[in-house]
Amino acid sequence: GDSVTQMEGPVTLSEEAFLTINCTYTATGYPSLFWYVQYPGEGLQLLLKATKADDKGSNKGFEATYRKETTSFHLEKGSVQVSDSAVYFCALSAGGTSYGKLTFGQGTILTVHP
Amino acid sequence: DGGITQSPKYLFRKEGQNVTLSCEQNLNHDAMYWYRQDPGQGLRLIYYSQIVNDFQKGDIAEGYSVSREKKESFPLTVTSAQKNPTAFYLCASSIDGDRTGYTFGSGTRLTVV
Repeated sequence: GDSVTQMEGPVTLSEEAFLTINCTYTATGYPSLFWYVQYPGEGLQLLLKATKADDKGSNKGFEATYRKETTSFHLEKGSVQVSDSAVYFCALSAGGTSYGKLTFGQGTILTVHP
Repeated sequence: DGGITQSPKYLFRKEGQNVTLSCEQNLNHDAMYWYRQDPGQGLRLIYYSQIVNDFQKGDIAEGYSVSREKKESFPLTVTSAQKNPTAFYLCASSIDGDRTGYTFGSGTRLTVV
């Protein structure tokens, strides 16, 4: 079945450091890929998405590129801020009989210190 | 503004009781979903509905029930058959999950006392 694997966390960085959170996936066909962010005590917010190979999603300084050859969708940001501290989820939607259903990774906790 | 409203934010249940979590959306989305979130386990799909009066079981439906009598509403009942109901419950909706992703509510934290 479909699955998403995120890098083990938690991740702790200093402000202005470079961020990478790895995400790899297993799916049949051509899934759409997403990154969501969850702040403490809240629901998830869509951060960025990519719907086909080589697409780059970007938002609020975060970027991720859909790499079909390596089945990856790694999240990057060049300079993190304290306000970026949150839990980040990678997810895929495989379409077909799974239409509209998202499969999530386990989440990566990011803490940014001043 | 359009969005998804979940209520209550916190809910306490005694053992053996059924409780119902509310989820209402005014986004005119056809599809709605319920997920359960436990620490370190990500999100697991409980039930989903792609159209009014129709719904399907997700990966962990045992001990839960839903209804979809109106497009705007998708309540989740946690029954006494659910052996470990303490968790954070998230409701979501989408117009086209494959391409646009979901809009999530702010969640309900259920605790068994």
